[in-house]
Amino acid sequence: KAGVTQTPRYLIKTRGQQVTLSCSPISGHRSVSWYQQTPGQGLQFLFEYFSETQRNKGNFPGRFSGRQFSNSRSEMNVSTLELGDSALYLCASSLAGQVEKLFFGSGTQLSVL
Amino acid sequence: DAKTTQPNSMESNEEEPVHLPCNHSTISGTDYIHWYRQLPSQGPEYVIHGLTSNVNNRMASLAIAEDRKSSTLILHRATLRDAAVYYCILRDDVGGGADGLTFGKGTHLIIQP
Repeated sequence: KAGVTQTPRYLIKTRGQQVTLSCSPISGHRSVSWYQQTPGQGLQFLFEYFSETQRNKGNFPGRFSGRQFSNSRSEMNVSTLELGDSALYLCASSLAGQVEKLFFGSGTQLSVL
Repeated sequence: DAKTTQPNSMESNEEEPVHLPCNHSTISGTDYIHWYRQLPSQGPEYVIHGLTSNVNNRMASLAIAEDRKSSTLILHRATLRDAAVYYCILRDDVGGGADGLTFGKGTHLIIQP
């Protein structure tokens, strides 16, 4: 069974641009959540989607948004990029009902110049 | 979610057991104790979780104190591949839904050959 797939693996953008990151969950998983990891703040929860609906949201500005499609694939978007948005963005999926066990992808490393 | 306290780093020798402690003195009755680990250049990986009783799986064992204010992750025979950052996380699963995991700094486990 394929794991969680995130694309692209690396991304370089400049301040003010926007970016879209993609996540394909494990087949059959309906919940997808997103995390941001930086050396200073560690891993922080962004938001979680289940059946195309945002179920929970972390403490991030409105520039960070996401969505989930009917096939459970998810995208997150960051608009008006800032230098501080440079981070590893991780996606995790889980089976509906088994919310305690998350399966993480390898992440997208975003660098904002 | 309640807060956890872990040592910043620990060192062990290959093929010896490793005991990773976690203090969670403000744990509530409905908080589950989860452990994830993150290997270099990878997303976090689920290790084990429990509520009150000790738990075992093929990766590790989780020993939970009787008062649940602390727990210990036990790697029975460490290998070089176990070198990672280990996160102890409390999560209240009562409400259902994948509330975001609150990752702390974790314990950086170093394995010496």
